[in-house]
Amino acid sequence: AQSVTQLGSHVSVSEGALVLLRCNYSSSVPPYLFWYVQYPNQGLQLLLKYTSAATLVKGINGFEAEFKKSETSFHLTKPSAHMSDAAEYFCAVRSPSAGKSTFGDGTTLTVKP
Amino acid sequence: EAQVTQNPRYLITVTGKKLTVTCSQNMNHEYMSWYRQDPGLGLRQIYYSMNVEVTDKGDVPEGYKVSRKEKRNFPLILESPSPNQTSLYFCASSLAAVGGSYEQYFGPGTRLTVT
Repeated sequence: AQSVTQLGSHVSVSEGALVLLRCNYSSSVPPYLFWYVQYPNQGLQLLLKYTSAATLVKGINGFEAEFKKSETSFHLTKPSAHMSDAAEYFCAVRSPSAGKSTFGDGTTLTVKP
Repeated sequence: EAQVTQNPRYLITVTGKKLTVTCSQNMNHEYMSWYRQDPGLGLRQIYYSMNVEVTDKGDVPEGYKVSRKEKRNFPLILESPSPNQTSLYFCASSLAAVGGSYEQYFGPGTRLTVT
């Protein structure tokens, strides 16, 4: 069985500050890992994904995530928050041998001016 | 334009009245999936399909049915909707389910209210 835990349902940062959204996973086999973003009243879109080619993954809009196998983590970071980053962020895992996908409960990011 | 479309976008219905939410993708994707999104619970997978005529249960399949007769379409059927199925539903597709880290492309969502 696989699972995803996102620590912190709400994160608030000031504009220009570091963004850190935490994701820990549990899986019996190394899963595929993803971060998606959902802007208000929209569907989800991919921010970045771990492909095993590199542990540090760069995504769109200046976001990146580091895969740490020993910590079973895939935390999302951005050096400097922008107002347009305000959204809900989801970490997801997918089994490499089957179609099951599991999403975390989501983290709502608020960016204060 | 590559996209996943869902219809209807909004639906208010009554308990027990059968309904179908359609999902179609124009990217020739093998894999399709349905999710429901509820506050504080993230997205939970209802059903998924690895290819035509191949479907399997996700984490919350009770009260739902699906079929995959064509590659592009994956309708979600609620034969006897109940108020606890009031939710925001998303359809998604990806190139494949296995063999690579394929991301999912999501539709715009269908907001269903069952009274």
